[in-house]
Amino acid sequence: KNQVEQSPQSLIILEGKNCTLQCNYTVSPFSNLRWYKQDTGRGPVSLTIMTFSENTKSNGRYTATLDADTKQSSLHITASQLSDSASYICVVSARGSARQLTFGSGTQLTVLP
Amino acid sequence: DAGITQSPRHKVTETGTPVTLRCHQTENHRYMYWYRQDPGHGLRLIHYSYGVKDTDKGEVSDGYSVSRSKTEDFLLTLESATSSQTSVYFCAISNSGGEDTQYFGPGTRLTVL
Repeated sequence: KNQVEQSPQSLIILEGKNCTLQCNYTVSPFSNLRWYKQDTGRGPVSLTIMTFSENTKSNGRYTATLDADTKQSSLHITASQLSDSASYICVVSARGSARQLTFGSGTQLTVLP
Repeated sequence: DAGITQSPRHKVTETGTPVTLRCHQTENHRYMYWYRQDPGHGLRLIHYSYGVKDTDKGEVSDGYSVSRSKTEDFLLTLESATSSQTSVYFCAISNSGGEDTQYFGPGTRLTVL
């Protein structure tokens, strides 16, 4: 069964600090991996997408890495801001039909002033 | 929210009553999806559509039906709502199948008493 596990479940950091969120997956056959940001009360918004051949992708202060051999990804947030407080969801797509997306449960990040 | 609206945004209903949620898009995307999001779980696919009148089941389809009579509208119906269907429901759209980025609507919070 395809699975996506994220850690930590929740994280509290001070504004201006960096943090790294982890995602481990067992999805086959792998197609791509996305990180989404979900603000409270809103739908998820895509941050990055990486295919098998990509191992780093940046979007402003967000940098995602992918190690397809160990089936691990991380999302690094630099110089955190209060607006970074949200749930970050790792989503892995398997090649094939449209139903083949597996979602992690998310990491709830809180940035304190 | 990428030209996606959901209605209603909030609904409280009683066990045994029928409920219909509507998703409307202005992006002319081919694929539309219905997910539910519950604490401790990742987003889970209920049903999806790959064209007008073309739909398929997701992993948690029991108790739900869908219809898509126009490209822009995707309806989710709970024929007889149960308390286990209390959840936040998200609609998503994408241009192509599961390997393409999905864009999510703002969500509908449904409470079944």
